[in-house]
Amino acid sequence: QVQVVQSGAEVRKPGSSVNVSCKASGDTFSRHYFNWVRQAPGQGLEWMGVITPMVGTTNYARKFQDTVTFIADGSTSTVHMELSSVRSEDTAVYYCATGLLGGPLDSWGLGTLVTVSS
Amino acid sequence: DIVMTQSPLSLPVSPGEPASISCRASESLLDTDDTTSYLDWYVQKPGQPPQLLMYTVSNRASGVPDRFSGSGSGTDFTLKISRVEAEDVGVYYCMQRVELPCTFGQGTRLEIK
Repeated sequence: QVQVVQSGAEVRKPGSSVNVSCKASGDTFSRHYFNWVRQAPGQGLEWMGVITPMVGTTNYARKFQDTVTFIADGSTSTVHMELSSVRSEDTAVYYCATGLLGGPLDSWGLGTLVTVSS
Repeated sequence: DIVMTQSPLSLPVSPGEPASISCRASESLLDTDDTTSYLDWYVQKPGQPPQLLMYTVSNRASGVPDRFSGSGSGTDFTLKISRVEAEDVGVYYCMQRVELPCTFGQGTRLEIK
């Protein structure tokens, strides 16, 4: 099972961008896919999209297609999520969740709190 | 997108009593290629990230006690706890991954009476 460690909390002003990283260890990076899930304060879980490093593909939820980008760096076993043009509604904890290709999300990071405030 | 609907949203249970959570999908979660329903359950305990509880309907994740069981097929699924313990407090989510985008249910908050 792979373990993932996420980068620390971020504070951004509206209209700017934020980058959250997710470093994997413990198993072959390319055998896994990496999903991003966010949770606004007091709310439920929202799936944002997935990146599959082995085949180099990304799939984004329609809501995030114009604002989110996932990048995988195999040399460091790290996946990055960039969210652009952030708004106050993007204030949330962002989770990196991974599993074997096509499998359940059996390893989650601790989450990264992104706060958007002027 | 497939809509996942859970019930109840709040579930107060006395210790030692059973509990049941329903999850209904707006479309079948059955993958006809391999006859598997891609429905997973996650639990988020207070102050923690979500963790995998059950996968593909009825398979317990590593370390999950056999008090937990999952059942269902097609569009209707159930998570059951045979005897609730204090450590089971948290929010339970179902999630479908038969097609993208993956979607979660609203969550069911289990509390101890």
